[in-house]
Amino acid sequence: EAGVAQSPRYKIIEKRQSVAFWCNPISGHATLYWYQQILGQGPKLLIQFQNNGVVDDSQLPKDRFSAERLKGVDSTLKIQPAKLEDSAVYLCASRGQGSEQYFGPGTRLTVT
Amino acid sequence: AQSVAQPEDQVNVAEGNPLTVKCTYSVSGNPYLFWYVQYPNRGLQFLLKYITGDNLVKGSYGFEAEFNKSQTSFHLKKPSALVSDSALYFCAVRDMGGSSNTGKLIFGQGTTLQVKP
Repeated sequence: EAGVAQSPRYKIIEKRQSVAFWCNPISGHATLYWYQQILGQGPKLLIQFQNNGVVDDSQLPKDRFSAERLKGVDSTLKIQPAKLEDSAVYLCASRGQGSEQYFGPGTRLTVT
Repeated sequence: AQSVAQPEDQVNVAEGNPLTVKCTYSVSGNPYLFWYVQYPNRGLQFLLKYITGDNLVKGSYGFEAEFNKSQTSFHLKKPSALVSDSALYFCAVRDMGGSSNTGKLIFGQGTTLQVKP
């Protein structure tokens, strides 16, 4: 079974620029999560999708972050404009019928 | 509000010795508890979970965890550590609160395990 795929793996941008991350979950997993992991901290949920609907986006900075999962499979997370404090690893995870989540390798974002 | 605490930033152990990585939690209701491991430049890998049943849970790579309700703890253990176990370990609790019951994970801050030869 293929795991969760994410791209790009690394991205360096200047502040005020925009960036987009892509995630392809495990086949058949209806629930998809985006987490932000700042260095030295545990991951924190940004947004959760159930199929193509948003379940929880209460921690998403909506003035600059957006995410979509149009066909209930792949998802993109966008930041526009980026700030220095957005430097982090962005993790995508998916969950099937079980309770455990499976994580992708993450995208390491550096904002300069 | 649900929370998880990992009181040690780093745990050092000699190869072949037993290891323990500590985790305590605070939840309303029955907890769903998880351990994940993160190797450098990799995503989180699921190790084990406790939902219900036997307090001793066995997981991947020889790891196990003991659920203790009275102490609200879920410590990760391994009888004999390997150098390759050196990594960052996260304890997490599934958020079962609120009307939406999103099932999101709330993570501790992580504990770095260093196993020396």
